[in-house]
Amino acid sequence: GAGVSQSPSNKVTEKGKDVELRCDPISGHTALYWYRQSLGQGLEFLIYFQGNSAPDKSGLPSDRFSAERTGGSVSTLTIQRTQQEDSAVYLCASSLSGGESGETQYFGPGTRLLVL
Amino acid sequence: GQNIDQPTEMTATEGAIVQINCTYQTSGFNGLFWYQQHAGEAPTFLSYNVLDGLEEKGRFSSFLSRSKGYSYLLLKELQMKDSASYLCAVRGDRGSTLGRLYFGRGTQLTVWP
Repeated sequence: GAGVSQSPSNKVTEKGKDVELRCDPISGHTALYWYRQSLGQGLEFLIYFQGNSAPDKSGLPSDRFSAERTGGSVSTLTIQRTQQEDSAVYLCASSLSGGESGETQYFGPGTRLLVL
Repeated sequence: GQNIDQPTEMTATEGAIVQINCTYQTSGFNGLFWYQQHAGEAPTFLSYNVLDGLEEKGRFSSFLSRSKGYSYLLLKELQMKDSASYLCAVRGDRGSTLGRLYFGRGTQLTVWP
């Protein structure tokens, strides 16, 4: 079946503008994760959705960042009033249930965000 | 906090064996993953260890020692296509951090002919 898809693949925006990044997880996967990969840095956890539970937002770097997941499937990560330090690759991953220790997270191709 | 260390870069020649080390200090441990990431692409799953010992999968093997907070990824019979970044990631403990992965910065491996 199809893997995790993300859109857009690239986004260039001006400082101060809002952006929305979209993630379509693998069908049937109830767990969804957002990570950020900055140049020369490791992947940084942002937020985690598990079924109908309240999301784990503890990784969001500021209140300019928010995410939602509609209908237990598609997720949107929104960055308001973008700053240059927000420039990074934003990766989405999904897994079957999020509850098993060995469960693999499958990553999408990412959205490359550049804030000018 | 969480600290995961791995070398920044490694080089090797085609046909050789290379070992990429990863050490971790985390507040909880519920498994260690290795991912491969080619430039501009998504990370892809390579291996998973939760118990001590060696897991072998074809040309790739991964080892874990929980008491030492140490893992390595062993790549045999290197091929040019193995040139990529290799990411070590530790899964959080059950509870509030369940699900999230803590990643190292990745080891960029270059395979020369």
